[in-house]
Formats: sequence, C-alpha cells, structure tokens
Amino acid sequence: QVQLVQSGGEVKKPGASVKVSCKASGYTFATFGISWVRQAPGQGLQWMGWISGYNGHTNYAEKVQGRVTMTTDTSTSTVYMELRSLRSDDTAIYYCARTSVSSSDSMDVWGQGTTVTVSS
Amino acid sequence: DIQMTQSPSTLSASVGDRVSITCRASQSIGTWLAWYQQRPGKAPKLLIYKASSLESGVPSRFSGSGSGTDFTLTISGLQPDDFATYYCQQYNTYSTFGQGTKVEIQ
Repeated sequence: QVQLVQSGGEVKKPGASVKVSCKASGYTFATFGISWVRQAPGQGLQWMGWISGYNGHTNYAEKVQGRVTMTTDTSTSTVYMELRSLRSDDTAIYYCARTSVSSSDSMDVWGQGTTVTVSS
Repeated sequence: DIQMTQSPSTLSASVGDRVSITCRASQSIGTWLAWYQQRPGKAPKLLIYKASSLESGVPSRFSGSGSGTDFTLTISGLQPDDFATYYCQQYNTYSTFGQGTKVEIQ
C-alpha cells in the first residue's frame, strides 16, 4: 500500500539544524511530489514547501525561504527536509505528504509526523 | 500570499446534525481547494479536492462546493467519528491552509 514513513523525533538547541526524512513506498516515486507541512503545538497547519519526485525542483514558502532545503534520493525513494538556524518557534510536528508532480495540489497520503523540539 | 479564512472557528453540534464550514480566499482560486479532517494526535486526512470531488473511501455524507473565493464543506448527518478539526487548503498559488474549524459535541 502507499505509505510515507518519517524519521524519529528530534530535540535540538536554538541555532542548530535538523534533517527529517520521509521514505515513500507503494507507488512510483518519480510520478509524484512531496510537500512538507508543519503544525506547532495547538496550532493549525503551515505549508513549508514542495519538491518534485521527478526532477527535484522545489518551491518554498516565504516564511522559511533561506532556512529550508528539500532534497530527494531517488535510489531509496526518500525525501529529506533540512531546516537551519532553528528557533523556539520551529518547535512543531513536521509532516510529509504526497502531492502531484505540480507544486500546488491536494495531499492524499501523509506521513505519521516527526516531532521537532527546539529548546536550550 | 493568498490568505484563507475559515468560519466558524468552533462549531458545536450533535450526532445526526447537518453542519457547514465556510472558507474564504483573499483572491480568486478557481476550484483549487481541498478539505482535510484531523483527529487529535493524527495526521490530516484528505476529504475533498478540487472544491467538490470526494476522495476515494471518504463517506458520501461529506460534500464540498464553491468556486472563486467562497467555499463550503458540508457534513450531512454528523457521526461520532466526525468530531474533529477541519482545514481548507488552497493550491492555486503554492499552498495555504485555513486556520481550522473544530467540530465539537454539543
């Protein structure tokens, strides 16, 4: 079945970086994209960006532009999201979600979420 | 950026009720709108895409309508599993979510 499995939770200090992985299975990786969405404690959903599984093209939200990098490893059907210069307000659950090969689309399959805690 | 505004923020209802949640975009997005359900501690689940298309496996009591700037999610005959938070998402230009509507038991 179609599945996205994310890496485990992380605790980081302010100013550090975090890299979260999202391994896809059950579908042809290159025919879909992956979006990253985060949710701060008790808050709503925030789209962070998208990467194409076909050619690695990316689009990032203005709020995290310059601090985020999304990459793919097509040999393992894995997408990575790295966030740098972490601040306390980056504390959130980070989700990857399958979307179409276009950057803007609905998200039909979601990972289980990865909790990232930023604390000194 | 396109802003998405949902109303109400909280909705109290009973099992069997028909409820509606509205979502307004700050500019026209055509029908590039999706609706999600999120239960506590779980990832969001896609219900509706392209404003009115029901995702496979989603019960037919969920329906979506609208185009341009104004959209509605309707649940006809609320079931116990439907008490959750609902989000709209525009994907006309990049992506933006509404702030969410919590449907709680009256």
